[in-house]
Amino acid sequence: DTEVTQTPKHLVMGMTNKKSLKCEQHMGHRAMYWYKQKAKKPPELMFVYSYEKLSINESVPSRFSPECPNSSLLNLHLHALQPEDSALYLCASSQDGLLGPGNTIYFGEGSWLTVV
Amino acid sequence: SQQGEEDPQALSIQEGENATMNCSYKTSINNLQWYRQNSGRGLVHLILIRSNEREKHSGRLRVTLDTSKKSSSLLITASRAADTASYFCATDYRDSGGGADGLTFGKGTHLIIQP
Repeated sequence: DTEVTQTPKHLVMGMTNKKSLKCEQHMGHRAMYWYKQKAKKPPELMFVYSYEKLSINESVPSRFSPECPNSSLLNLHLHALQPEDSALYLCASSQDGLLGPGNTIYFGEGSWLTVV
Repeated sequence: SQQGEEDPQALSIQEGENATMNCSYKTSINNLQWYRQNSGRGLVHLILIRSNEREKHSGRLRVTLDTSKKSSSLLITASRAADTASYFCATDYRDSGGGADGLTFGKGTHLIIQP
C-alpha cells in the first residue's frame, strides 16, 4: 500500500466555521507534511511532523492548526479562514524527515477547500 | 528559503518528440527532485538526483544537474499524450533543528503533448 489518503476531497466552509482535513497513510512512514497549493502555483510547505513532533512550521497563521495523533494520521484544523485561504491542501508522507535517495515524499490527491 | 525556477512555463509539442524543461535554484542543495502533477491532482515523484551526481536516467526520463550553474534539466524522450501534466523541480532544505527537511518547489512547467 503506497497510498496517502485525504478526506474530504472537497470542502466548502464559511468564514466562521470550524472544520478539519484528515490524512492517513499505512506505509509505516514517520514524517508527514501539509502543503498548500493555489491555482497555477507550486505547492508551498506549511508543516512537517517527524516522529509525531512538529519539526517545521513555515510561519503559518494560527487559523491553521495541525495535529498528529499518531504516526499514521495527520489532521489540519481550520477556523476563521479567509476566502484567500481557498486552495488545494496536499498531505504527504515519507519514511522519515531526512529526505534523500530511498526516502522520497508520497503525496495524497489533495483536499479542495473553498472558503465563502 | 531556496526556490527553483522552471522554464519554459509552458511547452507544447507533438507526440513522439522530446521535451526538455529547465530548473534553476539559488542556494546549495543536498538533492534535487522532479515531480509531476496531473491537473488538480497530487504530485508524483519522478526522480531524485544528489548534489554529487551529474546525470541520472529512469526509463524515458533523463535528469542532469550542474551545481556550478545551480541548474537542472529534465528530458522526456519519445513523449506520449499521457505525459501531459505540470512538472516541478524541488530542492530540499534542512530545518535549523536538523530534524526534518522541507521541499521548496519551482514554479513548474506545464507540458502539453499534442496527439
